[in-house]
Amino acid sequence: GAGVSQSPSNKVTEKGKDVELRCDPISGHTALYWYRQSLGQGLEFLIYFQGNSAPDKSGLPSDRFSAERTGGSVSTLTIQRTQQEDSAVYLCASSLALLLAGGPKTDTQYFGPGTRLTVL
Amino acid sequence: GENVEQHPSTLSVQEGDSAVIKCTYSDSASNYFPWYKQELGKRPQLIIDIRSNVGEKKDQRIAVTLNKTAKHFSLHITETQPEDSAVYFCAASIRGSNYKLTFGKGTLLTVNP
Repeated sequence: GAGVSQSPSNKVTEKGKDVELRCDPISGHTALYWYRQSLGQGLEFLIYFQGNSAPDKSGLPSDRFSAERTGGSVSTLTIQRTQQEDSAVYLCASSLALLLAGGPKTDTQYFGPGTRLTVL
Repeated sequence: GENVEQHPSTLSVQEGDSAVIKCTYSDSASNYFPWYKQELGKRPQLIIDIRSNVGEKKDQRIAVTLNKTAKHFSLHITETQPEDSAVYFCAASIRGSNYKLTFGKGTLLTVNP
């Protein structure tokens, strides 16, 4: 079946402009994640959505970053007033979420191809 | 919060040799440890994972070991092949927050034919 898709694949913008990055998760996956991968670094957790629950925004690096997930499917990551240090690959992932007695437990995370953001 | 250290940052082996990548974690409440492989220009893909109720897991040429006391886990690849060349990331997540993976910085593995 179709995997996680992201658009655009590449985005070049000028410092100070706003950008929107889109993620389409695997159909049926209720959990959605955003990560940032800077050059030579690991993946940095940004935000997590699970169904209708309040998202975990604890990884967002500043208030210039925000994300929405409408209708429990597509998600948009918005970066306002972009800075050069925002340049990175932004990866989206999705997974099934298992609702167990001890709380939600997420399954394997499947990643999208990423959006490479370059801020000039 | 959780901190994951990964070593080495680069590893070069001859085809057919074994490769070992090691990670340590800081939070004793961590209980889920996946490994991802990322080929150049491609998305990360899960290759194996282990939960804290087991000490070792194998899948063909790949194995992962976990030492909860020492808070470290390792990836072992035997009979390496050129197509194993990639960046490998370890990760850990804490019981009750299994969605929030903390990743190591990655190991670039090069398998020379």
